[in-house]
Amino acid sequence: EVQLVESGGGLVTPGGSLRLSCAASGFTFNTYTMNWVRQAPGKGLEWVSSISPGSNYIYYADSMKGRFTISRDNAKNSLYLQMSSLRAEDTAVYYCARDYQAGVVAFDFWGQGTLVTVSS
Amino acid sequence: DIQMTQSPSSLSASVGDRVTITCQASQDISNYLNWYQQKPGKAPKLLMYDASNLETGVPSRFSGSGSGKHFTFTITGLQPEDIATYYCQQYDNLPYTFGQGTKLEIK
Repeated sequence: EVQLVESGGGLVTPGGSLRLSCAASGFTFNTYTMNWVRQAPGKGLEWVSSISPGSNYIYYADSMKGRFTISRDNAKNSLYLQMSSLRAEDTAVYYCARDYQAGVVAFDFWGQGTLVTVSS
Repeated sequence: DIQMTQSPSSLSASVGDRVTITCQASQDISNYLNWYQQKPGKAPKLLMYDASNLETGVPSRFSGSGSGKHFTFTITGLQPEDIATYYCQQYDNLPYTFGQGTKLEIK
């Protein structure tokens, strides 16, 4: 059974940093592109970042470039999102999501999400 | 960025109804369009990919069509468990973008 379990969310002050983790199981992690998608309270979905299986291709949404860093450890079946210079508008539930398959960018499995609150 | 515009933003329908949601892209995205269902407090669930392909295990009352800039998502025979918010998502260009969502309620 595919499982994605996020952790690391919490309350952080503006300008602060936080590192999110996503533990994957039930599939061959090192063969899938992985993503972070976020959802502000009461709002829609926003793609944040993606990373290819070998970390060769990394992409970010413009508003996260330079502040967020996606990474993965295939030996540990884990995905990470290092967030810095956090702003109030980064407050959201952050989901890790698996890419569907080669050639199709659809998110077929999602974690339960971890809430990040940026507030003083 | 490609803008995805869904309509309506909210919709009320009765059990058994046929429900249609539309999604319009700001530019041609071929068929690189997916649909998700999100129930309150839950993660989104992939329903359809590439505009018209039903994800494994998804009931056949869900269907999708379209290409280019105009897409539709249809539920034929609405069930109580279909109450959710539905999102379209394009992957023709980075950044991948979602529609604003359509909240579906039961009358």
